[in-house]
Amino acid sequence: SQQGEEDPQALSIQEGENATMNCSYKTSINNLQWYRQNSGRGLVHLILIRSNEREKHSGRLRVTLDTSKKSSSLLITASRAADTASYFCATFDTGANSKLTFGKGITLSVRP
Amino acid sequence: GAGVSQSPRYKVAKRGQDVALRCDPISGHVSLFWYQQALGQGPEFLTYFQNEAQLDKSGLPSDRFFAERPEGSVSTLKIQRTQQEDSAVYLCASSFVSYTGELFFGEGSRLTVL
Repeated sequence: SQQGEEDPQALSIQEGENATMNCSYKTSINNLQWYRQNSGRGLVHLILIRSNEREKHSGRLRVTLDTSKKSSSLLITASRAADTASYFCATFDTGANSKLTFGKGITLSVRP
Repeated sequence: GAGVSQSPRYKVAKRGQDVALRCDPISGHVSLFWYQQALGQGPEFLTYFQNEAQLDKSGLPSDRFFAERPEGSVSTLKIQRTQQEDSAVYLCASSFVSYTGELFFGEGSRLTVL
């Protein structure tokens, strides 16, 4: 079963614009992670935010976490054509048999 | 190698055949995970190893699926009597120690069952 639900399902923007992707989840979490997947490739870890953190930055990435709303957002600033990919949020919940559970993903297209 | 290596990258099987998919994790990584990814979907958890111990196999869809990691390094996912619904990309991931940390994924093995 998939826990995270990303929104929107697809996003198309112009190069240079910012891209904002949202993720909602259902359970109590240990941390939330964002991954990128280029077509036909494996997933690449982008950023991890722990349940006691509210915001984190890494280069052009900014992720926020609101545990009261069970939601997270990923912001990519000054997007590039190379950012075109699918983006997944994934959560580790606090249950005894926790595993990293992925959402269905967001397809981001950045037009040159 | 530097990353997680999976083989074969592509496998076409006739319905009813057995297949074996191999995963070579990053050297020294204790944790190893298998995920199944259907077209247009996110990865779905199959099973988890810590060293050679299979600690969670709750995601394996049926008893036709079997995974092993006998020496705590290379892992094999075996699917017996393949069915068309088994067609998917099978992703392997490893992590150093922390069970809740970042996962390093391989490129995946794309299985097509005819």
